[in-house]
Amino acid sequence: AQSVTQLGSHVSVSEGALVLLRCNYSSSVPPYLFWYVQYPNQGLQLLLKYTTGATLVKGINGFEAEFKKSETSFHLTKPSAHMSDAAEYFCAVSDPGGSYIPTFGRGTSLIVHP
Amino acid sequence: GAVVSQHPSRVICKSGTSVKIECRSLDFQATTMFWYRQFPKKSLMLMATSNEGSKATYEQGVEKDKFLINHASLTLSTLTVTSAHPEDSSFYICSARDRFHGYTFGSGTRLTVV
Repeated sequence: AQSVTQLGSHVSVSEGALVLLRCNYSSSVPPYLFWYVQYPNQGLQLLLKYTTGATLVKGINGFEAEFKKSETSFHLTKPSAHMSDAAEYFCAVSDPGGSYIPTFGRGTSLIVHP
Repeated sequence: GAVVSQHPSRVICKSGTSVKIECRSLDFQATTMFWYRQFPKKSLMLMATSNEGSKATYEQGVEKDKFLINHASLTLSTLTVTSAHPEDSSFYICSARDRFHGYTFGSGTRLTVV
């Protein structure tokens, strides 16, 4: 069984500030990890994913995430927030040896202040 | 990249009627598609896995007679909400998987039952 915990349902930052969205996972096997972004009334768009290899993963729109096995974490960061980054962000985990179907966290709403 | 088209984006229907939502993979073939339901401020709940040419696999607690899924071709899956009630109002999202792009999500359908 696998699960995802996203700490903080809302994160508020000022434009230009560092963005940090937290994600911790639980998995009995080495997982695949994902971050998705959802804009209002839209589907999900993949930001980045970790499967194997380099633990620091770079994604679209300047986001990156680091897989830390010892901490069972996959936090999402961006050095400088932009107003257009305001959206809902979902962390997900899947079992590459099983169904691959991702299990999603409850989401974190990123609010960016001017 | 892979594109999944979901239609309609919004639909309002009367209580007791049925509504069909289409999910199409535009530039790839998807033997497996997935249907999710998203409640306000909640994560995505997997409803069912749609398999081309065979019966869908429903998650526990999802009424298969209420949420009819048909995967008639490698590029089309449909979800029909039968005898809709106001509590069925939600945001429904489909996803298609292929070996090259992983999971690609549709843009979602906002269903309102009045």
